[in-house]
Amino acid sequence: AQSVTQLGSHVSVSEGALVLLRCNYSSSVPPYLFWYVQYPNQGLQLLLKYTTGATLVKGINGFEAEFKKSETSFHLTKPSAHMSDAAEYFCAVSGTGTASKLTFGTGTRLQVTL
Amino acid sequence: EAGVTQFPSHSVIEKGQTVTLRCDPISGHDNLYWYRRVMGKEIKFLLHFVKESKQDESGMPNNRFLAERTGGTYSTLKVQPAELEDSGVYFCASSRLQGVGVEAFFGQGTRLTVV
Repeated sequence: AQSVTQLGSHVSVSEGALVLLRCNYSSSVPPYLFWYVQYPNQGLQLLLKYTTGATLVKGINGFEAEFKKSETSFHLTKPSAHMSDAAEYFCAVSGTGTASKLTFGTGTRLQVTL
Repeated sequence: EAGVTQFPSHSVIEKGQTVTLRCDPISGHDNLYWYRRVMGKEIKFLLHFVKESKQDESGMPNNRFLAERTGGTYSTLKVQPAELEDSGVYFCASSRLQGVGVEAFFGQGTRLTVV
């Protein structure tokens, strides 16, 4: 079975500050990991994903995440927060075998203040 | 290219009534998924279609839920009769390919409220 834990249901940062959203996973097989973002009144949008290869993954809008197998983590970061980053962020792990289904964490709502 | 479209965006129904949610995937995407998020909890997988066939319906909560994808194009998810605990946001997603690591494209969701 696979699972994802996102620490912190709400995170608040100042504009220009570092964004760090935490994600830890549990998987019995090599994981494929995703970060999705949901802006208000929109669907989930893929930010970035890790499949194999380079452990530091760069995504859209300046976000990146690092896969750390030893820590079973896939934390999302952005050096400088912008007001437009306010949204809900979801970490997910992909299924095994041929399954495409995703197992999501509970989400982290990011607030960006002036 | 149009994205995944879901109808309606919001639905409020009384307990015991029937509701049908619709999902139009991206054209050419054989794979269609339904997910649900209840009360701010995690988004949970419901089922996966490949064309018109159910590939995996392990997440369907009970037999009050019926998903169809006739003709392998759009899909419907019917809840009959609806219960209070069915309230939540229902997401649909689609992908051209299937397999681990494949990106799925999500719709904006249908917010279902059962009162």
